[in-house]
Amino acid sequence: AQKITQTQPGMFVQEKEAVTLDCTYDTSDQSYGLFWYKQPSSGEMIFLIYQGSYDEQNATEGRYSLNFQKARKSANLVISASQLGDSAMYFCAMRLPYSGGGADGLTFGKGTHLIIQP
Amino acid sequence: DAGVTQSPTHLIKTRGQQVTLRCSPKSGHDTVSWYQQALGQGPQFIFQYYEEEERQRGNFPDRFSGHQFPNYSSELNVNALLLGDSALYLCASRSGGMLWYEQYFGPGTRLTVT
Repeated sequence: AQKITQTQPGMFVQEKEAVTLDCTYDTSDQSYGLFWYKQPSSGEMIFLIYQGSYDEQNATEGRYSLNFQKARKSANLVISASQLGDSAMYFCAMRLPYSGGGADGLTFGKGTHLIIQP
Repeated sequence: DAGVTQSPTHLIKTRGQQVTLRCSPKSGHDTVSWYQQALGQGPQFIFQYYEEEERQRGNFPDRFSGHQFPNYSSELNVNALLLGDSALYLCASRSGGMLWYEQYFGPGTRLTVT
C-alpha cells in the first residue's frame, strides 16, 4: 500500500531563511506523482508543486522547489527566502494507485506545521 | 472567476441523521473529488467523480455516497452519521488539460456530529 511520511510535526524558522520540509514515500508503482499542498488556518488547500516520477529535473515553482531523490524515495519541499505568509500546514501527497480512466485521488501525509518568525 | 465553492460552511448533526454537502467546481473543471480531514490529520480521499460517474473510491463505507450533475457540481451524502464522521469535508476540482495535476480545493464544510 502507498504511504506518505512527514516526520516533522512542527518547525520554527526565521524570516528570510530557506526551509526544507521532509517527505518520504512508499510505493510499488513505477509511475507515480508527488504533490505538495499548503493549508493556511482558513482551511483551504493550496496546490504548490508537482513532480512526476519520470521527470528528470526537479520541479520548481517560484520560491518553491521539490528535491526529488527517487532512490531514497524522498520528495522534500524547499522554500527559499521564507516570508511571514508562509506560516501554515504543509502536506505532501501522492496519487493513489492508478486505476485507469484518469483517476487521481491523492493520499496525504500528516503534515508539517511551519511557523515563520520575524 | 469563482474558485471551488462549498455549502454549507458549517453543519451540526445528530448521530444517526443524514447529511448532504454540496460543491461547485471551478469554471472549466469537470472532475470533482471529495476528501475528509479529521482534526490534526491530512485529508483522506473519499471518491472522485467524472462525467457523472464515480471513477475512483477510497476506503470509505457505503454510508458515503455521491453524485455529480451535468453542470459538474457534486454532492456528498453521508447516512447514519457517527461521531467519528465529524471532520472538515473538502471538495477539489480539476480540468483534464495540460495542468491536470493542479487540483483546486474549496474552503470546506465543517461537520460536527453530536
